[in-house]
Amino acid sequence: QSVLTQPPSASGTPGQRVTISCSGSSSNIENDNAYWYQQLPGTAPKLLIYNNDQRPSGIPDRFSGSKSGTSASLAISGLRSEDEADYYCVGWDGSLSAYVFGTGTKVTVL
Amino acid sequence: EVQLVESGGGLVQPGGSLRLSCAGSGFSLSNYWMHWVRQGPGKGLVWVARVNEHGSRIDYADSVQGRFTISRDIAKNTLYLQMHSLRAEDTAIYYCIKDAFGPTDYWGQGTLVTVSS
Repeated sequence: QSVLTQPPSASGTPGQRVTISCSGSSSNIENDNAYWYQQLPGTAPKLLIYNNDQRPSGIPDRFSGSKSGTSASLAISGLRSEDEADYYCVGWDGSLSAYVFGTGTKVTVL
Repeated sequence: EVQLVESGGGLVQPGGSLRLSCAGSGFSLSNYWMHWVRQGPGKGLVWVARVNEHGSRIDYADSVQGRFTISRDIAKNTLYLQMHSLRAEDTAIYYCIKDAFGPTDYWGQGTLVTVSS
């Protein structure tokens, strides 16, 4: 059972803004960085956000991350059909001395 | 160009052992944290283990602690995951990752491990 909780699904029409939440605790998100991955079907995950709100080179600014207290969020603005994928948050849990992934959110573009 | 090529996956009986390899090119393992992450069929991502750039810090997920060992051969620029006492729930695609969660994060294509009798 994951210690980071995400909604199982989210959806929007092209051009809309979609937000995905990641609920953690004081042993992970609140006291360390949050990261976000995108996984397209049949492919390895790709890092979208590191250190809460930083984008690696090549990631469009349509993707943005934020953190407040024990929760982190990923926002996708200007939703596109190619954004249809699974999204995972992840963070270091100091109590477990381990990284923990969120439960994952499937984004559907209607 | 950075590349990670995993190998060593396959079918193994419960209780058996397997060693996964991850050959790196285009960078040196001695400069980066290296990780293993797995994904069961139709399931989410699960972090497995990591080793730091010096080989002096190693961490494991509770679910594999005592059964799996992460190691490196710097001369071969290769990362390993030795797996013992395998269980059905260890069935997954295993990915090796350079600099996971960092700005130069890079994943291999994964290797499938199936634990079944």
